[in-house]
Parts: sequence; structure tokens; C-alpha cells
Amino acid sequence: KAGVTQTPRYLIKTRGQQVTLSCSPISGHRSVSWYQQTPGQGLQFLFEYFSETQRNKGNFPGRFSGRQFSNSRSEMNVSTLELGDSALYLCASSLSTGANEKLFFGSGTQLSVL
Amino acid sequence: DAKTTQPNSMESNEEEPVHLPCNHSTISGTDYIHWYRQLPSQGPEYVIHGLTSNVNNRMASLAIAEDRKSSTLILHRATLRDAAVYYCILRDGPGANSKLTFGKGITLSVRP
Repeated sequence: KAGVTQTPRYLIKTRGQQVTLSCSPISGHRSVSWYQQTPGQGLQFLFEYFSETQRNKGNFPGRFSGRQFSNSRSEMNVSTLELGDSALYLCASSLSTGANEKLFFGSGTQLSVL
Repeated sequence: DAKTTQPNSMESNEEEPVHLPCNHSTISGTDYIHWYRQLPSQGPEYVIHGLTSNVNNRMASLAIAEDRKSSTLILHRATLRDAAVYYCILRDGPGANSKLTFGKGITLSVRP
């Protein structure tokens, strides 16, 4: 069974640009969540989608958005990039939502903003 | 979310057992205790989770104190591949919420 796939693996952008990251969950998983990891702040929750609906959102500005498609694949978008958006963006999937669910993470997209 | 406290780092020898502690004195009755680990240059990996009873799986064991205010992740025979950052996380029980609140975790070093 294939794991969580994130594309691209690496990305370099300049300030002011926008970026779209993609996540394909494990087959059969309906919940997808996104996390940002930086050396200073560690791992921080961005948002969670289940059945194409955003179920939960972290404390990030509106420049960060996402969506989920009917096949459970998800994208996140960051507009008007800032230097501080340089980070590893991780996607995780689970069968459903809830505190008893295991999350399976992808290897992430490393975004560098110059 | 209820908070967890872990030591910053721990060292162990290869092929010896490792006990990684976690304190969660403000845990609520419906919080699940989850452990994830992150190897260098990889995304976090699920290790184990439990609610009240001790749990075992092929990777590790989770020992939960009777009052649930602390727990211990046990790696029975550490290998070099177990060197990672281990995160102890509490997740709310009721409601549909897959959010994980990561702390700084404990960095485990394994000596050959």
C-alpha cells in the first residue's frame, strides 16, 4: 500500500509569489491535515480536511489556505510569500477524524523563500 | 489542549531497553496519549497510542500510570535506527478532531 505522497519535494520561490503544494493520502483515507515545521517553532498544525470540508484550522494568517477534492487528495496554497514561510510542510492522512486515529505523514515539501 | 512535559534528551546503548518518560498532569478523562517519532529528514511516524490500559505493538510498549498523569514509552531493544525525536501528545477524545499539538519532544541518541 502506497504511503502519503507529497509533491514537489523541494521548492524555491521568491517573496510575493504564491505556491501550491499537493498531498495524496493513503488509499481509503478520508482525512488530511497539514503541518508546518520550522527550527524555531517546531511542528505547528495548519488545517484539517475531511470529506472536502475544513474541520479545524490552526493559528495561521489567511494567506494560508487549502482544499480537499472528492478523491481525498488535498492541496494547500500560500499566497504573497514571506521569508518566514520557509519551512518543511508536512501532510498527514488518516482513515477518519478523531482522537483515536493514527496519522500517517508524508516526507514533506521543503519550501525556501528567497 | 492539555500539555505534556518531556526531558530534552536521552542517551541509550544499542540493544538495551529504553524508557522515555512523559508527564501530563492536566490530562482529562477522554484524552488519548499518542507517541510519534521523527527520524532525520523524514516526516513524523506513528509509534503507539492508548487511553487507560498499557499497550503493546511491534514497535514499542506504552505504560500508562494508574492516575494517567504520566506515561512511559518503552523500546525493548534500542537500535541505531531508533535515534530520533520522540513526541508525546495528548489528543482530545470527544468530537472529530485530528489535530496534533507537538511539543519539543525528546531527542533519543543511541550509542553503538
